[in-house]
Amino acid sequence: EAQVTQNPRYLITVTGKKLTVTCSQNMNHEYMSWYRQDPGLGLRQIYYSMNVEVTDKGDVPEGYKVSRKEKRNFPLILESPSPNQTSLYFCASSPNRDRYNEQFFGPGTRLTVL
Amino acid sequence: AQSVTQLGSHVSVSEGALVLLRCNYSSSVPPYLFWYVQYPNQGLQLLLKYTSAATLVKGINGFEAEFKKSETSFHLTKPSAHMSDAAEYFCAVSDLGNQFYFGTGTSLTVIP
Repeated sequence: EAQVTQNPRYLITVTGKKLTVTCSQNMNHEYMSWYRQDPGLGLRQIYYSMNVEVTDKGDVPEGYKVSRKEKRNFPLILESPSPNQTSLYFCASSPNRDRYNEQFFGPGTRLTVL
Repeated sequence: AQSVTQLGSHVSVSEGALVLLRCNYSSSVPPYLFWYVQYPNQGLQLLLKYTSAATLVKGINGFEAEFKKSETSFHLTKPSAHMSDAAEYFCAVSDLGNQFYFGTGTSLTVIP
């Protein structure tokens, strides 16, 4: 089944404890992206990647890191999480860099930083 | 820079009534526009998209949207609401740099 998977789905952590949220897609997509969803703010793009070893900042990159060493994986790293990073995070992928493509979203990761 | 404004964070309609969800965009380049739907505890899925081929775009589940350049709008409509349409709806625009901008979302409630 074609899908985007994220792990973990739920995570409660404490301020300053490094964490990684994994994202993997099995559709051979070139483009991958991370979003955070907050009430009243909609989805905001954190980082995106148009191919292996190519990443770019989105609207809200501060406090996050990403890497794209393999085509299928695009992990999101919070090196020193803070409470304002408590949010619902979505990973998405699309076939290539063409900006008219549909994005396929993962199920989301709900992160709470205490 | 691109941006999207969704008027009305909450919309309620009766079952069988017209659904109208509003989206206005700002774009410095010819826009590509999208409507996504999010059901409770799920990720987003594409309803429809505008890619300059036709101004009236038909999507899944009976939804459609009309691109109006003069009004910079891309409103989503459905003639007759169904209980299963209750969800959150997001309008989005993409820019030349492959960055995506989403609206703040509209939560649709369908009253039986």
